[in-house]
Amino acid sequence: DQQVKQNSPSLSVQEGRISILNCDYTNSMFDYFLWYKKYPAEGPTFLISISSIKDKNEDGRFTVFLNKSAKHLSLHIVPSQPGDSAVYFCAASPRNTGGFKTIFGAGTRLFVKA
Amino acid sequence: DTEVTQTPKHLVMGMTNKKSLKCEQHMGHRAMYWYKQKAKKPPELMFVYSYEKLSINESVPSRFSPECPNSSLLNLHLHALQPEDSALYLCASSPWGASGNTIYFGEGSWLTVV
Repeated sequence: DQQVKQNSPSLSVQEGRISILNCDYTNSMFDYFLWYKKYPAEGPTFLISISSIKDKNEDGRFTVFLNKSAKHLSLHIVPSQPGDSAVYFCAASPRNTGGFKTIFGAGTRLFVKA
Repeated sequence: DTEVTQTPKHLVMGMTNKKSLKCEQHMGHRAMYWYKQKAKKPPELMFVYSYEKLSINESVPSRFSPECPNSSLLNLHLHALQPEDSALYLCASSPWGASGNTIYFGEGSWLTVV
């Protein structure tokens, strides 16, 4: 049972345009959501997070939106750059479990074309 | 400084060998993790230590033996592994607390069992 789903295995975007990566979750106990970026042969790097008390969090070119009623979050990258080409993992953590029960999605591979 | 360092970066071992993976963090995090990641898959939790005590063992075979010598160090002892254990092994750490804790990953140790 996949509690965190990233339904698009890959996404291709032109440099300078917006990249939108989507993530759906099923567990209403999740209260903290994260995005990680992973280059080949490296560990995942934390990118941005959002608490369930917010619906938007922004950090430079990266913005995460949370729609609790739809159990959906998205990561917007504007403008996209070739260096953003990587696999992006969505993750979610249930309430009162710290990071221990963080669940990861399967990942979306982003290709940013120059 | 959000750094988790892992050694070695690459390890090739035979099925009868005994080896260890090492991990260190100096962020004062009181939770440390071992994850396993196969190609095109999300990280899969193996073990969690909190305050140097094993908190979670996700039914990992006994050929993997974790050890937490102190709050900054985490080891994974490997013995009699199988070729299917070949994967990227990720160490991670996070603050301890009820909610909203971000997990920070190291760069990983690539393990090949021959």
